[in-house]
Amino acid sequence: GAGVSQTPSNKVTEKGKYVELRCDPISGHTALYWYRQSLGQGPEFLIYFQGTGAADDSGLPNDRFFAVRPEGSVSTLKIQRTERGDSAVYLCASSFAGGSPTTGELFFGEGSRLTVL
Amino acid sequence: QQQVKQSPQSLIVQKGGISIINCAYENTAFDYFPWYQQFPGKGPALLIAIRPDVSEKKEGRFTISFNKSAKQFSLHIMDSQPGDSATYFCAASSPGTASKLTFGTGTRLQVTL
Repeated sequence: GAGVSQTPSNKVTEKGKYVELRCDPISGHTALYWYRQSLGQGPEFLIYFQGTGAADDSGLPNDRFFAVRPEGSVSTLKIQRTERGDSAVYLCASSFAGGSPTTGELFFGEGSRLTVL
Repeated sequence: QQQVKQSPQSLIVQKGGISIINCAYENTAFDYFPWYQQFPGKGPALLIAIRPDVSEKKEGRFTISFNKSAKQFSLHIMDSQPGDSATYFCAASSPGTASKLTFGTGTRLQVTL
């Protein structure tokens, strides 16, 4: 596709439910990132994939959050036992290369807005 | 721990004026400093970026000024236009951490006619 595609664009769920958010990166981009943006704040790093493997998952807040990228393209962010504090916009981004920030401009999707009631 | 502090939180500038947004960082290992622009309902988009080996970088109406000793950098938007109205985020990353960016809290810019 022309840009990073994220689905769903909006998700409303109840506390305790399981949620999956999908990201389809720009074709050919090897690096994929998940960020979380709370209202009125800057994006916060969650996890970074280089190919199929999670190269850095240090930003995942706890073990309720998990992400996969089984074929090195599409990624899914999975949130178990959702809590009201998980409400935020979850942004996915991709880039050509993960090794150098100066060559790997991040291209963000429009995000998935998650609301936990 | 907020490693990148951004100010002001909001800014109103008249059309044709200069918009100035400031950021300060704490981590001296940071070596890449991008600015992102975000419109409502959209993801952030890279505007301009700088590395600490230069003190200024200009692209069109947008200029980054960088002060390594003060650990500060700023975005200047010359001849501000209503279409520049958006939220601006400064960010930083360290060597070897790819695009694991630490973002500031954002500045909401409104350019009035």
